[in-house]
Amino acid sequence: GAGVSQSPSNKVTEKGKDVELRCDPISGHTALYWYRQSLGQGLEFLIYFQGNSAPDKSGLPSDRFSAERTGGSVSTLTIQRTQQEDSAVYLCASSPPGQKNVGSGNTIYFGEGSWLTVV
Amino acid sequence: KQEVTQIPAALSVPEGENLVLNCSFTDSAIYNLQWFRQDPGKGLTSLLLIQSSQREQTSGRLNASLDKSSGRSTLYIAASQPGDSATYLCAVRQRSSNTGKLIFGQGTTLQVKP
Repeated sequence: GAGVSQSPSNKVTEKGKDVELRCDPISGHTALYWYRQSLGQGLEFLIYFQGNSAPDKSGLPSDRFSAERTGGSVSTLTIQRTQQEDSAVYLCASSPPGQKNVGSGNTIYFGEGSWLTVV
Repeated sequence: KQEVTQIPAALSVPEGENLVLNCSFTDSAIYNLQWFRQDPGKGLTSLLLIQSSQREQTSGRLNASLDKSSGRSTLYIAASQPGDSATYLCAVRQRSSNTGKLIFGQGTTLQVKP
């Protein structure tokens, strides 16, 4: 597709259930990012992928959060045993390959987000 | 630790006014600074990207400046229109990071009244 695609666009789940959020980055973009935006808050970095590896997972808030990327393309963010404080918009972004430093000078492109509500 | 602050948090202006949004950051060791627009219920759209070696970038009615030494950037919007109503976010890329991740401010929500 032309842009970063995320699914589902909206998800309501019961506390304690697991959820999976999917991201299809722009074709050819090697860098992929997950961010979280809680109500009234700024964007919080979660995890970064370069290809299929994740050299920076420093933003994952707990071990209930995990993510993977396959084929250097699609990524899935999984939240286990969801809690109400997990309610937020989960945004995926991708960026084309940089030169000396990945993404150092390149524009980043965001999807429209997956809106998660935990009740 | 890098901190990005945007002032004001919200702004309401009549149509046609020129306005300035402010962004400050605590660590000047950045690769670049980027301004985004976010409409309600939508993702982020990149407006302007300023490399650390640049002083400003322009796109249409938008002009972004960067003063790296003082840790400041401004987004100037000329002749504002109701369609400019949105939340504007600035974000920086740290030189200390080799991942290209962005550190965001909390945004300025702009309302332009007809």
